[in-house]
This record gives sequence, C-alpha cells and structure tokens, in this order.
Amino acid sequence: RKEVEQDPGPFNVPEGATVAFNCTYSNSASQSFFWYRQDCRKEPKLLMSVYSSGNEDGRFTAQLNRASQYISLLIRDSKLSDSATYLCVVGAGGFKTIFGAGTRLFVKA
Amino acid sequence: DAGVIQSPRHEVTEMGQEVTLRCKPISGHNSLFWYRQTMMRGLELLIYFNNNVPIDDSGMPEDRFSAKMPNASFSTLKIQPSEPRDSAVYFCASSPGTHTEAFFGQGTRLTVV
Repeated sequence: RKEVEQDPGPFNVPEGATVAFNCTYSNSASQSFFWYRQDCRKEPKLLMSVYSSGNEDGRFTAQLNRASQYISLLIRDSKLSDSATYLCVVGAGGFKTIFGAGTRLFVKA
Repeated sequence: DAGVIQSPRHEVTEMGQEVTLRCKPISGHNSLFWYRQTMMRGLELLIYFNNNVPIDDSGMPEDRFSAKMPNASFSTLKIQPSEPRDSAVYFCASSPGTHTEAFFGQGTRLTVV
C-alpha cells in the first residue's frame, strides 16, 4: 500500500461546479498535511495547509479526518484557472514529507 | 529572496555520461529535499538534508545516484553513469523547519538519450 494515495482522475467539471478530492495516508503518526497545486510543466506550490479543525481559504476548504486517515479538498464555484494537478502531501514525521501522485482537474467553459 | 534556484533548467546528455544537478536553497532554510517526477511514478522523494546532513537517502534509486550538501547554500545531485530511464524532472525544495511548507525550484528537465 502506498503511503499516500489519491485518485489520479482526471476530473472534468464545468465552470461553477463544486468538486472534491480525497487523499488517504497510511502512517497514523503523520503530523502535518498540505495540499499543493502543480500547473503543467511547473513546480508544485503550496495551496493550503490542512489543520485538525479544518480550514477554508476563499473557494477552497480542506478537512482532516484522523480516525479514517484521510484529508479532503473542496473547491466551490470552479474557475478555468483551477485546472491543474492537486497534490496531497503528508508529513510523516521528522523532516520527511510524502507526496501523493496527484489528482488532475480540468475545468471546462 | 529569489527562491530556490536550480541549474541547469534543461539537460540533454548521452547514456553513460555523468550528470550534475545543482540547487541553491532559500537562505535561512535548514531542510533541503531532492525529488524526481515522472509521468509513471509521480513525485518521488530521493533524499533530504537537515542542516547540511543527509537524513534519509532511502529514496535514491541506486548507487549511480549521489547527493551532497557541502554548505547551507548549495547542494548537488549527481548521476554517474546516466541511463535513459533516469530521464525525468528533478526538483529541489527547501523548508525552514519541520512540518512546514516546502518551496520548490523550477526543476531540471533531464533527458538521457
């Protein structure tokens, strides 16, 4: 079993739609969680951290479920510019961070 | 700050040649990571350093790969000899501490022919 697993997609949604991604992790001792965004042929960049209480940043909401060992990302009112690959990232302890393989999102006009 | 700087941006080399990738982390960051990204395998952590010391190199695929961090502002990833299956984008990232955001360089796109 991979340490961090994501549905690779692609998710094809129309503008204005709400889309959600889940990510599961295997190490119950993991302490930090993030969502990164990667555009085509670019480097990954932090989208948002994921806190135990959940957090929201504009149209984006992240949730953590420690009992079931998954994190989620919800995007409301999708924009064309949201088209990208979304990477789930888990801090597995110490300095080690594990990236999921990413979920591809295409938002269509 | 200019961010994490990697060089070269693109490298094309022949099988069997030595390849050296370079990285300058963000000043003040004490963790440095080398990743490799391919379509088939996604983003893989190869090795990471803390305060210039290699902490975990279990992701390094084989002995042909080596990495060094002689000081806080410079790291190299070397492949010797290179093989076509090493073709990938290699990212360097740095972080100010544990459980914090990692900042990525723009990557080196390596093609081994």
